[in-house]
Amino acid sequence: QITLKESGPTLVKPTQTLTLTCTFSGFSLSTSGVGVGWIRQPPGKALEWLALIYWDDDKRYSPSLKSRLTITKDTSKNQVVLTMTNMDPVDTATYYCAHAFAAGPEYFQHWGQGTLVTVSS
Amino acid sequence: DIQMTQSPSSLSASVGDRVTITCRASQSISSYLNWYQQKPGKAPKLLIYAASSLQSGVPSRFSGSGSGTDFTLTISSLQPEDFATYYCQQSYSTPTRFGQGTKLEIK
Repeated sequence: QITLKESGPTLVKPTQTLTLTCTFSGFSLSTSGVGVGWIRQPPGKALEWLALIYWDDDKRYSPSLKSRLTITKDTSKNQVVLTMTNMDPVDTATYYCAHAFAAGPEYFQHWGQGTLVTVSS
Repeated sequence: DIQMTQSPSSLSASVGDRVTITCRASQSISSYLNWYQQKPGKAPKLLIYAASSLQSGVPSRFSGSGSGTDFTLTISSLQPEDFATYYCQQSYSTPTRFGQGTKLEIK
C-alpha cells in the first residue's frame, strides 16, 4: 500500500523560505519509472504543478517558479524535500506531494493528504 | 507551455444522468491526458490515465476518450458520490499542466 504524507510549517512570513517534506511508504524512489511530485492548490482555485523528481535524480520545475524551487530526495529515508524561497501571500495554498508513475504515460497515481501553508506577517 | 481548457466550468446534473466533461489542449498531446476527481477538503484521486485507461478500483461508469487535442470524460450514470470537481492534466511535456476544473453539482 502506497502512502505519502506532507509535513512542514503551517504559517510562514513573507520573504521566508518554505521547506516541505514528503515522507512516503510502499514504494522506493530508486525504482525505475517512479517519481514524486509537488502540486499546490490555492483556496478555491485549481491545481498547479510545482516540481517533480525521478528515480534517476532527474528534476523538473515549473518554469514560472523555477528560480524559487529546489527538490531533492533521500532514498534511504523515503523522503522528498521541496524548498521554496521568498514566500509571498499569493503562495498561500494546500501543498500536495504525489507518487508519479513515469514508465511511459506519466500520471500522479497516489497523493498525500496535503498540508495548508499560509503566508502572512 | 501547453494550455489545458476544460468545459464547462460547472455543471448541474441529477443522479442517473449521463455527463460529459471536455478538455482541450492548446496543441497535440497524443494520448498523454489524465483525469482526476477531487472532493472538498480531499486530495485529488486519479480516475483515468493515458486518455482512456481506467485506474484500478475506479467504477466502470467512468470512461475517457480522445487523442490529439480533444478529450472527454464521461460518467455513464451519475451516482451521489460523483458530485465533485474534475481536473484534466496533460503529461505530454514539461511543464505538466492541469485544467481549471469542472465542478459537478447536484441539480
